[in-house]
Amino acid sequence: QITLKESGPTLVKPTQTLTLTCAFSGFSITDDGVGVGWIRQPPGKALEWLALLYWDGDKRYSPSLNTRLNITRGTSKNQVVLTLTNLDPVDTATYYCSHSRRRPGYNLYYYYMDVWGKGTTVTVSS
Amino acid sequence: QSVLTQPPSVSGAPGQKITISCTGSSSNIGTNFDVHWFQQLPGTAPKLLIFGDNNRPSGVPDRFSASKSGSSASLAISGLQADDEADYYCHSYDNSLGGWLFGGGTELTVL
Repeated sequence: QITLKESGPTLVKPTQTLTLTCAFSGFSITDDGVGVGWIRQPPGKALEWLALLYWDGDKRYSPSLNTRLNITRGTSKNQVVLTLTNLDPVDTATYYCSHSRRRPGYNLYYYYMDVWGKGTTVTVSS
Repeated sequence: QSVLTQPPSVSGAPGQKITISCTGSSSNIGTNFDVHWFQQLPGTAPKLLIFGDNNRPSGVPDRFSASKSGSSASLAISGLQADDEADYYCHSYDNSLGGWLFGGGTELTVL
């Protein structure tokens, strides 16, 4: 059974850097065709895709946030870490991590998010 | 403003069938990238409903179906039930932007 859990600070100040950890079980980030991604949702608004870390170390980022985001494997083999720099109140959101898998026979653009964590709420305020 | 356009809201009576559209462009749905659909019940994390245009994960009832044509996709829910009330999101890759996109979401109300 695949499970994921997000953790991190609930309140951060503007201009600071946010570091979120996704702890998962039931799979390995190095399994062929697997990915771990991050998505956020501001209060009352739509989902926004942020980043994806592929099993082979390749990464993809939201073009609008590319310069502020970094996704890496954590110090533990069952963790993925997302950092978002230069925070602004508009970054206030619930942040989700997800397990992604590649459709058999397809390439890196054909991943889908099949299991999600419950999310962690982050407020950016001074 | 999302590059994948969904109606903000749809509604239907119990037992009826509704459809939710997702209109994209030649750089995403029109390039034949997969369209996935998610259901988000109030106060919960999104749940995968449809992957790869029209495939249901195990456990998703066959009341939920999806299709794709050209640069658009649609989700259909038949036999509407009260617990189908949720927000629904389409999701696809865009090779012009170089990343994945969500639609703006559609709120389903069961009358």
